Amino acid sequence: SQTIHQWPATLVQPVGSPLSLECTVEGTSNPNLYWYRQAAGRGLQLLFYSVGIGQISSEVPQNLSASRPQDRQFILSSKKLLLSDSGFYLCAWSVGQVQYFGPGTRLTVL
Amino acid sequence: AQKITQTQPGMFVQEKEAVTLDCTYDTSDPSYGLFWYKQPSSGEMIFLIYQGSYDQQNATEGRYSLNFQKARKSANLVISASQLGDSAMYFCAMREGRSEAGNMLTFGGGTRLMVKP
Repeated sequence: SQTIHQWPATLVQPVGSPLSLECTVEGTSNPNLYWYRQAAGRGLQLLFYSVGIGQISSEVPQNLSASRPQDRQFILSSKKLLLSDSGFYLCAWSVGQVQYFGPGTRLTVL
Repeated sequence: AQKITQTQPGMFVQEKEAVTLDCTYDTSDPSYGLFWYKQPSSGEMIFLIYQGSYDQQNATEGRYSLNFQKARKSANLVISASQLGDSAMYFCAMREGRSEAGNMLTFGGGTRLMVKP
């Protein structure tokens, strides 16, 4: 069966520091991969998606970037965090119609 | 304009009763999909049910059913025989277009359901 992992689970970072969040999927090949952000009490906002290795599409211009160095690995990065980057970051994968989500990373930028 | 609208920020339901969570959508694409996800306090988004725009029958998955009214552009989630563990945020989402490449979802603002014992 397929599983999706995200780490770390929680992160507290100072403003201006770098960021690297990792997502890996097991049990499937060539999935579509997605990064979402959820502000407190709100719905999800799509940040990036990828249909294959090295293929990244950005939905929201910001100081975040994404990379897909391997088929089942998706990384979200930032060179300098802003206060507004705080939130709950969710990675998801899909092969068919349905997207399946990871456990998420709660990021607090102070 | 909002593509997915959930008008109920919060709802209460008595344990063992049925509850309907509202969702309306806006699209001009004839091919689309509608999804419902549950988000408990742990934060994980759990897929519940899917309805395709060309599906003739309403989707059902155990205690979950989707009341799909295409002409009214609504896709309400019905939970039968509510349980305490159903207390959570519920999100409606839509995918537009046929292509699975990208397969982007647009989410509504969510409804918080609280089940009373």
